[in-house]
Amino acid sequence: DADVTQTPRNRITKTGKRIMLECSQTKGHDRMYWYRQDPGLGLQLIYYSFDVKDINKGEISDGYSVSRQAQAKFSLSLESAIPNQTALYFCATSDPLAPGDNEQFFGPGTRLTVL
Amino acid sequence: GQQLNQSPQSMFIQEGEDVSMNCTSSSIFNTWLWYKQDPGEGPVLLIALYKAGELTSNGRLTAQFGITRKDSFLNISASIPSDVGIYFCEDSGAGSYQLTFGKGTKLSVIP
Repeated sequence: DADVTQTPRNRITKTGKRIMLECSQTKGHDRMYWYRQDPGLGLQLIYYSFDVKDINKGEISDGYSVSRQAQAKFSLSLESAIPNQTALYFCATSDPLAPGDNEQFFGPGTRLTVL
Repeated sequence: GQQLNQSPQSMFIQEGEDVSMNCTSSSIFNTWLWYKQDPGEGPVLLIALYKAGELTSNGRLTAQFGITRKDSFLNISASIPSDVGIYFCEDSGAGSYQLTFGKGTKLSVIP
């Protein structure tokens, strides 16, 4: 079974709809992240969480919110989706206690299309 | 914020050729990480570098952490079709928590 899972894998929605993307991990890592990938722009950090009580904005947090329901779960919400939020979204985890504490483990991604 | 420049943006090479890509920054970094993203999947770590001047190999891959701590390169020797994908550098800056990805190098290998 995959260590980092994301649901749904694909989603098509309409402008103005509320969308939630979910991420679960079985790695036991404290740190979790949400990234957005657009062609030619690499991965941009939306939000990150160092533990259940810690939430931090990344470089492109406007229009997004997150919830860290448990160590293993980190959800990303788009309160009112707009077309320029069409992108590939990745969840990732890392372990601050590991020798390579910056190594991130990524989920398979969610492809979101906003019409 | 940090500026991370990754080049080239894309490469088309013949199977068997060697490949080189690099990342540079205006800031000093503590770590450099190189990831590969296969089509339809999330990035996976290839090599991690933690010390200036460090040279590390992983099979046909070799990466170095620049001595100035502002750059890193990744080389792939004798490319094969499964090397196709997008390669990203990622860095961790000095001081407060900062993780930045390069924009990626898209590699295509012609059999």
